[in-house]
Amino acid sequence: QQQVKQSPQSLIVQKGGISIINCAYENTAFDYFPWYQQFPGKGPALLIAIRPDVSEKKEGRFTISFNKSAKQFSLHIMDSQPGDSATYFCAASPYNNNDMRFGAGTRLTVKP
Amino acid sequence: DVKVTQSSRYLVKRTGEKVFLECVQDMDHENMFWYRQDPGLGLRLIYFSYDVKMKEKGDIPEGYSVSREKKERFSLILESASTNQTSMYLCASSSGLAASTDTQYFGPGTRLTVL
Repeated sequence: QQQVKQSPQSLIVQKGGISIINCAYENTAFDYFPWYQQFPGKGPALLIAIRPDVSEKKEGRFTISFNKSAKQFSLHIMDSQPGDSATYFCAASPYNNNDMRFGAGTRLTVKP
Repeated sequence: DVKVTQSSRYLVKRTGEKVFLECVQDMDHENMFWYRQDPGLGLRLIYFSYDVKMKEKGDIPEGYSVSREKKERFSLILESASTNQTSMYLCASSSGLAASTDTQYFGPGTRLTVL
């Protein structure tokens, strides 16, 4: 069973719209929450990551929102572009531990 | 630029064959990982290694073994391939003490089909 639950499985957004992908976890030992972006034929690449001491982190058009009490975190892509079309994975790992747990992935399509 | 390379992009093997998947990283990273990626399941950790000749089981080690004789190279071995091992295999490396300390850099993946 997956320790990190990700939704939706797929998402279609118009160019310029906001893409929102959600993840939830149970293990309170998790304290590092990265998002990875994967284009077809490529391996995943780190997009943005957050630690639970902050509730939000923004890098350009990408924002992670983190709700520690609800054990949920989400990725928001503002002004979505066709070049953002990719599969996005959320992940979580405990401190000082190599055991990273990934969500099932969300295939994002941004229509021009 | 960190580079993680995998020996094959596509591989087709028969049931019962011994299969070797090779991964090489060029950034002197201590940690190396093997994942398999399946639709609807995301990435699942098979094994990782935090030093030469050291290895730890991940989430799904059954049916797999690994070898790390040199720091830059991490091999995944399927002793007797089965059809349920048909999957995309991803190798990654990182330099930190733990996944929570440093970024994992992924290779392009090997799509293995077992007939």
